[in-house]
Order: sequence, then structure tokens, then C-alpha cells
Amino acid sequence: EPEVTQTPSHQVTQMGQEVILRCVPISNHLYFYWYRQILGQKVEFLVSFYNNEISEKSEIFDDQFSVERPDGSNFTLKIRSTKLEDSAMYFCASRVRAAVYSEAFFGQGTRLTVV
Amino acid sequence: GENVEQHPSTLSVQEGDSAVIKCTYSDSASNYFPWYKQELGKGPQLIIDIRSNVGEKKDQRIAVTLNKTAKHFSLHITETQPEDSAVYFCAAEPNDMRFGAGTRLTVKP
Repeated sequence: EPEVTQTPSHQVTQMGQEVILRCVPISNHLYFYWYRQILGQKVEFLVSFYNNEISEKSEIFDDQFSVERPDGSNFTLKIRSTKLEDSAMYFCASRVRAAVYSEAFFGQGTRLTVV
Repeated sequence: GENVEQHPSTLSVQEGDSAVIKCTYSDSASNYFPWYKQELGKGPQLIIDIRSNVGEKKDQRIAVTLNKTAKHFSLHITETQPEDSAVYFCAAEPNDMRFGAGTRLTVKP
């Protein structure tokens, strides 16, 4: 069964360092997403991506964040200068098409710990 | 953008009882309402969804109802089992998915 895969499963980084979280969406999916979940809290939308550009982003997704699809399979989230409050679980998701009637498939997440 | 409110934040039931989780949304253009289940250490997984042209949908022990006039929709789980214990998130979409705050359901054996 096709699945969204995320690497690494856990990343520890020093405050101020850059991190790149990687995702391999399901191969025939066209829409890609990043979400963040601070421990015990809600799943927060960060950004959606389609046709090699950002479709929508939330207020959390500031200039410190960027996304890229560097090749035909990977979808990455970069945080330029990490802060303590960036510590969270980051989920990648993909779907065949946007919105109605289209299930979003989530990866297992990357736990980012900023120390 | 869409604002989704979800209640309750925690819910504890005895095995075999029913559980109901409610969500309200703000954007009248929303036309797709999925429910996701998140088990410990995993990403959310779709369990049921409903489109705006339908008032109710059922899949075995799970059902979702939608009231477009009142802008609310609910998840109903009947004959709950311990494996139903998880965090449940609702979402509403005119566009990208924005989740509610989540409900932690505990089913006691």
C-alpha cells in the first residue's frame, strides 16, 4: 500500500541552526502539505504546495520557513534558524487533488527538538 | 480563512457506550468535512468524511452528521471499543484542511 514517508523520524538541533525535514509523498499525488503539532496540541496547518509553488500558507509559516520540491519525489520543509518554540512534530501529507472528495494521507511525522 | 471549533477536548466512555464529538465551522463556502483519527505516535488517518450535499453518512460503527444551516457537524461512534481510544480531529474545507483542536477519546474496558 502506498504511503507517505518522512525522514528523519527524530531530529535534534541547536537553536539557530538550519534544519531540513524530508518527505516522499505518494507518487501520483499532486498536492502536498506540511503541518505542525506541538506536543499535546492541535494539528496546525503550515503550508500547501501545488505545481511547484505555494498555494496557501498560514501565519505560522513566516520567512524562517521554506518548502521545495527539488526533484520528482521529495518535498522538503526548511527552517532557516530554529527557535526553541519550533520544537514539535512535523507532518507531511499528500493528496491526489485539492479539497472535495480527496483523502489526505499523512506521514508518520518528524519529531524536531530544538535545544 | 476557515475557523473550526471542536468539543469536547476530552471524552471518556465505558466500552460499549456511544461517543459524540461536535464541530462548528465559520466559512459557509466549506463543502468537505473529514474526520481524522490519530493514534499515539502516528500521523492522522481519515476515518470518514462527508460532502456538503449529504446530511448523514454511516460506515459500520461510525457516522457523521452535517447541519449546513447551523454550520456544525458531528462524529458518532457506537458500541465503542478500547481500540477506538485516540485523538479525533475534524476539519472543514473550502480549500486546504484546517483542523479542529482535537478530542482525546478514552474508552474504558
